[in-house]
Parts: sequence; C-alpha cells; structure tokens
Amino acid sequence: GAVVSQHPSRVICKSGTSVKIECRSLDFQATTMFWYRQFPKQSLMLMATSNEGSKATYEQGVEKDKFLINHASLTLSTLTVTSAHPEDSSFYICSASIWDDPTDTQYFGPGTRLTVL
Amino acid sequence: KQEVTQIPAALSVPEGENLVLNCSFTDSAIYNLQWFRQDPGKGLTSLLLIQSSQREQTSGRLNASLDKSSGRSTLYIAASQPGDSATYLCAAYLSGNTGKLIFGQGTTLQVKP
Repeated sequence: GAVVSQHPSRVICKSGTSVKIECRSLDFQATTMFWYRQFPKQSLMLMATSNEGSKATYEQGVEKDKFLINHASLTLSTLTVTSAHPEDSSFYICSASIWDDPTDTQYFGPGTRLTVL
Repeated sequence: KQEVTQIPAALSVPEGENLVLNCSFTDSAIYNLQWFRQDPGKGLTSLLLIQSSQREQTSGRLNASLDKSSGRSTLYIAASQPGDSATYLCAAYLSGNTGKLIFGQGTTLQVKP
C-alpha cells in the first residue's frame, strides 16, 4: 500500500513553455502533499507543502508565481512550472502523507525529470 | 534551523564488508528520522523509519539507530553486496507535526565485487 505516482516521468520542453507535473496517491487519501526539487548530485530541497482545498505554503526562496501548485482533491496535486527556463531543469519529486497516520510518514513518488532547452 | 549532515559523502568498500553511514542533526527536537536509498536517476526508496520514541529499527541486513540526545543516527549495512551501491539519504522530520522533512546531502556508496 501507500503508493504515489507521478506523471510524466520525464519531460523535455522549450524555454518559455509551461509544464504540468501530476502527483497522485493511488491507494490512500492524502490531505498533505509535498514537492521537492533535486539538482544533480545534490540532496532534495522542499519547495512547498500543499494541503487539499487550500493554498500551498512555499519555502523561502521559492517563487509561488513560478511554481503553481494545485491540490484539488485528496489524491491529486499538480505542480506547474510556468515559463520554464533552463535553470528550472531538475528532478522534481512529490510525496504524500496519509491523512490519519499519526506518524506523518511521507511516501514518495518516482520523480519527474524536467529538461528545459 | 534544523540542519542534517551526512558523513562521509562517498564510500567505496569491497564486497562483504560491514559498514556504517552517519547522519547528524542540529536540533534534537525531531519527530522521526528516515533513511532512504536512491539509485542514479531514480526516486527514493524508503529503507527504515525510526519514530521519535524508538532507538532503532532493523530490516534484513540493515539496522538504523537514533540517538536524539547526541543528534545522531547511523545506518549499519551488514555483509555489503554490489547491489547495495547507491546513494543513501537520511531525513529528519521536524517536530510539531509540520510534516516537513529535512534531507542530508547523502552518502554515495560503491560496493566493489
């Protein structure tokens, strides 16, 4: 159980376009989902925390107008990279926690590799 | 501000060796601590989760310990195999049920046959 999927797994786009990444909890309800970014040979950095039905909370230094997060249902959160530029190329990983799990364990998706040309 | 540090950054060992990966955190008021494995270009695989009230967890050849008072966690891998080659990340859950995870930089392990 506790499977999280991401789509697409890999995307290549031209500079200036917008890219949407989906994160789904397949077999549980997730009131909270998290988005991370990982640059090559670096660790994961939390970008934002998204709660179903409310606005996402962004970490310091993350542009909310650049990285639009929508958490419209208990099983789906989306991250849209708007007007992408080469410096946005990265590995984006989402995670989700089960709504009634007191340990708040996060379950991670397989990641999406974004390459902006 | 919670910071998580992993030492060493890279490690190369011959097959069969027992090894220890280290993780330290600056604020002892963590909620849980979790160890992950990441293969090149792939996502995260959860290995072990140690809850705040626990001191260690074991799964197969892996054993993770947590000492909150000293701000340390270790991941012990017994009888290492080439298939264990990967990057190992530790992550601390901040207290207060915020759900935020702070990751260390990782230790890249190579086990030579």
